[in-house]
Amino acid sequence: EAQVTQNPRYLITVTGKKLTVTCSQNMNHEYMSWYRQDPGLGLRQIYYSMNVEVTDKGDVPEGYKVSRKEKRNFPLILESPSPNQTSLYFCASSSTGVTTNEKLFFGSGTQLSVL
Amino acid sequence: LAKTTQPISMDSYEGQEVNITCSHNNIATNDYITWYQQFPSQGPRFIIQGYKTKVTNEVASLFIPADRKSSTLSLPRVSLSDTAVYYCLVGDGGNNDMRFGAGTRLTVKP
Repeated sequence: EAQVTQNPRYLITVTGKKLTVTCSQNMNHEYMSWYRQDPGLGLRQIYYSMNVEVTDKGDVPEGYKVSRKEKRNFPLILESPSPNQTSLYFCASSSTGVTTNEKLFFGSGTQLSVL
Repeated sequence: LAKTTQPISMDSYEGQEVNITCSHNNIATNDYITWYQQFPSQGPRFIIQGYKTKVTNEVASLFIPADRKSSTLSLPRVSLSDTAVYYCLVGDGGNNDMRFGAGTRLTVKP
């Protein structure tokens, strides 16, 4: 089954403790992206990747890092989490990300709480 | 980037047709219009996409007038399971050109 898998589903941590949220897709997609969703703000893009070893900032990249060493994986790294990063995070992928008429496939989300 | 405006929320009853209109006055010539649906605790899911006139699939219809400054997502005979947030997006530069706003929260009542 074609899917985007995120882990963990829920995560509670404390300020400053480094964490990684994993994302994997099994559709051989070149494009992958991370979003955060906050009440009333919709989804905002954090980082995206057009292919292996190619990443770029989205609208709200501060405090986050990503890597794309393999085509299927796109982990989101919070080196020193802060309470304002408490949010619902989604990973997404699409075939190439180049043309708008591609569908974005989303994972089920990771609810992160930073205390 | 073309900005979109949608109603924040809508209520409907089971069996009714629901029309959600999205305004995009600054839409560019090459922009497509795409709608996503998001259920609680899930990621958004692609519903439908169009460029002009009318597009229909098994889930919804999308009506786009000639000036393309707005579009209407039509959901026929909604059920309780159609309760979700619906996002309208416009863009032509690939997925990085797409911006999700706050969407329209549709509540279907029995």
